[in-house]
Amino acid sequence: GDSVTQMEGPVTLSEEAFLTINCTYTATGYPSLFWYVQYPGEGLQLLLKATKADDKGSNKGFEATYRKETTSFHLEKGSVQVSDSAVYFCALSDQDSNYQLIWGAGTKLIIKP
Amino acid sequence: ETGVTQTPRHLVMGMTNKKSLKCEQHLGHNAMYWYKQSAKKPLELMFVYSLEERVENNSVPSRFSPECPNSSHLFLHLHTLQPEDSALYLCASSQDIARRGTDTQYFGPGTRLTVL
Repeated sequence: GDSVTQMEGPVTLSEEAFLTINCTYTATGYPSLFWYVQYPGEGLQLLLKATKADDKGSNKGFEATYRKETTSFHLEKGSVQVSDSAVYFCALSDQDSNYQLIWGAGTKLIIKP
Repeated sequence: ETGVTQTPRHLVMGMTNKKSLKCEQHLGHNAMYWYKQSAKKPLELMFVYSLEERVENNSVPSRFSPECPNSSHLFLHLHTLQPEDSALYLCASSQDIARRGTDTQYFGPGTRLTVL
């Protein structure tokens, strides 16, 4: 069945550092891919998404490119801020999941000033 | 109000109590979801409703009872819970289910439940 694997956290960086959070997936079809973010004490918010190979999703300085050849959707940001501290979830949906979201375990990001 | 709202935001209950969680979406969506988020565990999908009909029930204990009176409202009725049921309960909605392009889910802020 479909699955999503994220790098384990926590990931700790200094402010203005470059961020990469790895996400790889297993799917038999052509999934849509998502990144959600959960700030402390809040629900999940959609950060960005991509629906087909080579698409790049972007929002708030974050980017992720749908790479079908490596089945990956890594999240990147060029210069992180303390306010980016949160838990980041990678997810997919496709026909096999009946278009319900299959979730990664989440990666906690801590940015130090 | 916009988006997805949940009440209460925090709830403390004893094991013999009966309480209900409420979710309301103002997005005109047809599908609604309940998730459980426990510390150090993956997000668990509990229930899925589409047009007020339950379409998925992922082996959730009967002490959790969902209700969807219309496409904008979703309830989770709780009774005789256990301490291990303490968690953040998240509600979400999406435009539809089972169709590509309608699968983006929008979440409420959650209800933090503590069972004593």
